[in-house]
Amino acid sequence: GNSVTQMEGPVTLSEEAFLTINCTYTATGYPSLFWYVQYPGEGLQLLLKATKADDKGSNKGFEATYRKETTSFHLEKGSVQVSDSAVYFCALKDTGGFKTIFGAGTRLFVKA
Amino acid sequence: NAGVTQTPKFQVLKTGQSMTLQCAQDMNHEYMSWYRQDPGMGLRLIHYSVGAGITDQGEVPNGYNVSRSTTEDFPLRLLSAAPSQTSVYFCASSTPGEGKNEQFFGPGTRLTVL
Repeated sequence: GNSVTQMEGPVTLSEEAFLTINCTYTATGYPSLFWYVQYPGEGLQLLLKATKADDKGSNKGFEATYRKETTSFHLEKGSVQVSDSAVYFCALKDTGGFKTIFGAGTRLFVKA
Repeated sequence: NAGVTQTPKFQVLKTGQSMTLQCAQDMNHEYMSWYRQDPGMGLRLIHYSVGAGITDQGEVPNGYNVSRSTTEDFPLRLLSAAPSQTSVYFCASSTPGEGKNEQFFGPGTRLTVL
């Protein structure tokens, strides 16, 4: 079945450090890939998405590239801020499908 | 637009009690889902609906019921609460979009069962 694996947290960084959160997936066909972010006490919200191979999703300085050859969708940001502290979820959806499969989430702490 | 709204925000129940978690969306989305979030386990799908009058089970449906009488509302019922149902519950909605569309989430209900 479909699955998403992302790196375990927590990840602790200093402000302005480079961020990478790894995500790999298992799926048949050509799923759409998503990163969601959950700030403390809130629901999840979409951060970025990519719907086909080699697409790059980007938003708020975050980027992720859909790599079919390595079945990966790693999240990166060049310079993190304290306000980026949150839990980040990698997710996939099958083409034409309804269900979203979520990874376990990676908690990020950014220190001033 | 209010988006996806959930009530209550917090709830404490005793074992064996029943209750309904409310969810509503004003975006005219066809698809709605209920998830539970537990530490280290991501989000697990409880029940979902692809339109009014149509519901189906997700990954962890036992102990929960749903109905979808209108496009806007998708309540989740706990029939007889158990401590294992202590969790944070999220409702989400989306449009079909051939699997390319993201979900919109409510703010969650934090439930404690004693």
